[in-house]
Amino acid sequence: DGGITQSPKYLFRKEGQNVTLSCEQNLNHDAMYWYRQDPGQGLRLIYYSQIVNDFQKGDIAEGYSVSREKKESFPLTVTSAQKNPTAFYLCASSMRSDRGQPQHFGDGTRLSIL
Amino acid sequence: QQQVKQSPQSLIVQKGGISIINCAYENTAFDYFPWYQQFPGKGPALLIAIRPDVSEKKEGRFTISFNKSAKQFSLHIMDSQPGDSATYFCAASTTGAAGNKLTFGGGTRVLVKP
Repeated sequence: DGGITQSPKYLFRKEGQNVTLSCEQNLNHDAMYWYRQDPGQGLRLIYYSQIVNDFQKGDIAEGYSVSREKKESFPLTVTSAQKNPTAFYLCASSMRSDRGQPQHFGDGTRLSIL
Repeated sequence: QQQVKQSPQSLIVQKGGISIINCAYENTAFDYFPWYQQFPGKGPALLIAIRPDVSEKKEGRFTISFNKSAKQFSLHIMDSQPGDSATYFCAASTTGAAGNKLTFGGGTRVLVKP
C-alpha cells in the first residue's frame, strides 16, 4: 500500500533537547511538507521541499530544521530553540505541478514536553 | 494574517440533515480549493476539491459550491451520518515558483447525532 509513514506516534522531549521526527513516503512524490497542528486549530506550514536537496521555510520555521537527502524521506528536527514544541506534527506529500495538487498526509506524531 | 477564514467553528446536526461549512479567502492567486476530513489522532484525508473554473462539484453526499466573485466556497454534507462526525478543514493553494503551498482554515468540528 502506498502512503506516508510517520514515526514515532508519540514523542517526549526534555528541556534543551533536540528531537527528530521521521517521515517516509512511497508515493513517488517530489514534494513534501511539514505542518504543526495545535488543539482546536488549523494546520500551519513549517517547512516544505519541492525536490531533493532543496527546501524552503514555511510560516513558522523558527526553532525547526529539516533535510531532504532522499526523495522518500523528509525528517523534521525540533530544536531546543523551539520554546513551545508541544503539538501534533503532520507530514504530507504531493506531486509537483504547475497547478494545485492534493496533499496526502501521514497520521502524525504527537510531541510533548517532559 | 489568516488568509482563509472558516465558519462555524462547530456544528451539531441530526442524522439525515445537511451540514454546511463556509470558507472565505483573500488571495485572488489561489487556484485550488480542497476540503479535508480529520478524525481524532489521524492525519487529514482529502475529501473533495475544486478549481476556480468550476462553480460546483459533487461527489456522493459531499458538494462544494464556489463563488469566485465573492471569494467564498462552501462544503455541503447531505444526509449526514454519525460516521461523518469529524473535523473538516477547507484549504486554498497557490502554485508557481514557491511550489504548491496550502493555507488552511481553522477547522469545523461536526457532530452528527443519531
